[in-house]
Amino acid sequence: DIVMTQSPDSLAVSLGERATINCKSSQSVLYSSHNKNYLAWYQQKPGQPPKLLIYWASTRESGVPDRFSGSGSGTDFTLTVSSLQAEDVAVYYCQQYYTVPNTFGQGTKLEIK
Amino acid sequence: VQLVQSGAEVKKPGASVKVSCKASGYIFSSSGITWVRQAPGHGLEWMGWISTYNGNTNYAQRFQGRVTMTTDTSTNTAYLELGSLTSDDSALYYCARGKNNYGDSPCDHWGQGTLVTVSS
Repeated sequence: DIVMTQSPDSLAVSLGERATINCKSSQSVLYSSHNKNYLAWYQQKPGQPPKLLIYWASTRESGVPDRFSGSGSGTDFTLTVSSLQAEDVAVYYCQQYYTVPNTFGQGTKLEIK
Repeated sequence: VQLVQSGAEVKKPGASVKVSCKASGYIFSSSGITWVRQAPGHGLEWMGWISTYNGNTNYAQRFQGRVTMTTDTSTNTAYLELGSLTSDDSALYYCARGKNNYGDSPCDHWGQGTLVTVSS
């Protein structure tokens, strides 16, 4: 199985500041022939199901604010929240869908400082 | 798009549970259904995927032999059945729609979750 490791486990950032979450996969999730990274980011708020934010490592899902962006390729990926808002407090998960099982990272809890 | 799951279940160890996920607002056969579970206070665990087009499945190895995913295209409903339950199976079970019907896609809509509690 591909192991997804996120860092840090928790993060406190001031309102309006940048938040950066990292995700590393134990093997590449880049499908070379398609030149696509099979990597998604989800946001989960308490008591709610996860919400898809980013897929193909950097494609923003429809309706997701543009302060959320994804980057990276191969085995190293980053989710950036450019200007943290109060409503962004949540746990964030990366997921690879390159191969079965489609494993998730352990989650990063994002809070307000 | 809406995925509405069945209600909470309480089961005894060794029993089986069947969770349903009724889809609406889109063409059911155009997108696969993934099942993900989340133990209390823990992260997300991918259990498997089913094609709503032809019924093909992919299960996580750790659930092989005790998990069955099915669909009923006449009612646009997907089902997850998990057997030989232990207390470790107590969790919130989510169904989620894939962006395609090939399995290699993220999940863009999620059900509300079904709480399964295993207790003697």
